[in-house]
Amino acid sequence: DQQVKQNSPSLSVQEGRISILNCDYTNSMFDYFLWYKKYPAEGPTFLISISSIKDKNEDGRFTVFLNKSAKHLSLHIVPSQPGDSAVYFCAASARQAGTALIFGKGTTLSVSS
Amino acid sequence: DSGVTQTPKHLITATGQRVTLRCSPRSGDLSVYWYQQSLDQGLQFLIQYYNGEERAKGNILERFSAQQFPDLHSELNLSSLELGDSALYFCASSMGLAGGLSTDTQYFGPGTRLTVL
Repeated sequence: DQQVKQNSPSLSVQEGRISILNCDYTNSMFDYFLWYKKYPAEGPTFLISISSIKDKNEDGRFTVFLNKSAKHLSLHIVPSQPGDSAVYFCAASARQAGTALIFGKGTTLSVSS
Repeated sequence: DSGVTQTPKHLITATGQRVTLRCSPRSGDLSVYWYQQSLDQGLQFLIQYYNGEERAKGNILERFSAQQFPDLHSELNLSSLELGDSALYFCASSMGLAGGLSTDTQYFGPGTRLTVL
């Protein structure tokens, strides 16, 4: 059973517009969430994280929103750039239990110019 | 460049064989993690080592084993290889805050692509 789900395998956006990547989780013990970006032939790169005590965290063009009641988080990229085209992975862990990161299957973002 | 290095980059071998993948963490990082990414799958956590000791175990097969050495580099050993073991294997490292709990940011290496023929 997938504990972290990224239901959209792909997303296409025009340059300059907003990209919204979604992630749902089922384990209510999760209290730490991260987004990673991955280019082909490279390892995942950390983008941004959020603790469950917050509902928003911002870093430049990237903002992560957390809705604990809906067990849903999203990554907003504004404005989207062609260099943002990559696979984005959502990950979660339960810090109190000391669990490892559980990753979703990823969403491929394509930003066209 | 994350600072995590993995060797080799590519590995082609036959079923039944044994291989060793190597990972050097970022300078100063105490925790090392191993992940497997198969086709169309997300990253599956295999195992974590913290300062030389096994800290957490995920979906790691009994045919697979790992260790972390005193210089903090880690090796993942895969034996009796099967076709289904073909995948990308990633190593990640983190500072190892809070006694090695996997809550601090993990930095990934470029991966080793294993092909079993």
